[in-house]
Amino acid sequence: KQEVTQIPAALSVPEGENLVLNCSFTDSAIYNLQWFRQDPGKGLTSLLLIQSSQREQTSGRLNASLDKSSGRSTLYIAASQPGDSATYLCAALDSNYQLIWGAGTKLIIKP
Amino acid sequence: EAGVTQFPSHSVIEKGQTVTLRCDPISGHDNLYWYRRVMGKEIKFLLHFVKESKQDESGMPNNRFLAERTGGTYSTLKVQPAELEDSGVYFCASSGPRPSEAFFGQGTRLTVV
Repeated sequence: KQEVTQIPAALSVPEGENLVLNCSFTDSAIYNLQWFRQDPGKGLTSLLLIQSSQREQTSGRLNASLDKSSGRSTLYIAASQPGDSATYLCAALDSNYQLIWGAGTKLIIKP
Repeated sequence: EAGVTQFPSHSVIEKGQTVTLRCDPISGHDNLYWYRRVMGKEIKFLLHFVKESKQDESGMPNNRFLAERTGGTYSTLKVQPAELEDSGVYFCASSGPRPSEAFFGQGTRLTVV
């Protein structure tokens, strides 16, 4: 049974710092892995999707990596801004085409 | 192009009442998913439609939940009768041919009092 874990559960950093959010999964048989952000009281915004055959994806200040063999993905945020404050969720698309979700990392960027 | 749309955005009902949530997927997406997040827990899969057919409903918690997808277009998720533990945020997502990116709606926040 696929399990997805995100560490840390919460993170607070000063504005301008680079940071890394971690996501691990127990079963390497995934089709893809997606990173989302959720703002308080809002829906889910897709940030990056990495196919199982890919190693990383980049969008602006965000870079996501995927290492299937070790069951890990990271989301790197460069030059963080207060507007980056949100909960970041990773989800792995498993062999049953279900998204298995982590509990999220609540990120606070202090001005 | 319109994204995934969910209605209502927020619903407050009393225990024992019925509520129907609606999801309009992205036009042309055959795959439609329902997920929910109850307080303090991870988002969990509920069910998956391919066009109008239920492909996988293994995540539906009990028979108080009924999902339909009329004509392979929009989908409804009915909770009858609602219980307190049904409170949470219900997300709908759609995607093209699998395995492709899932696009999510804004969610419906359901509060059962």
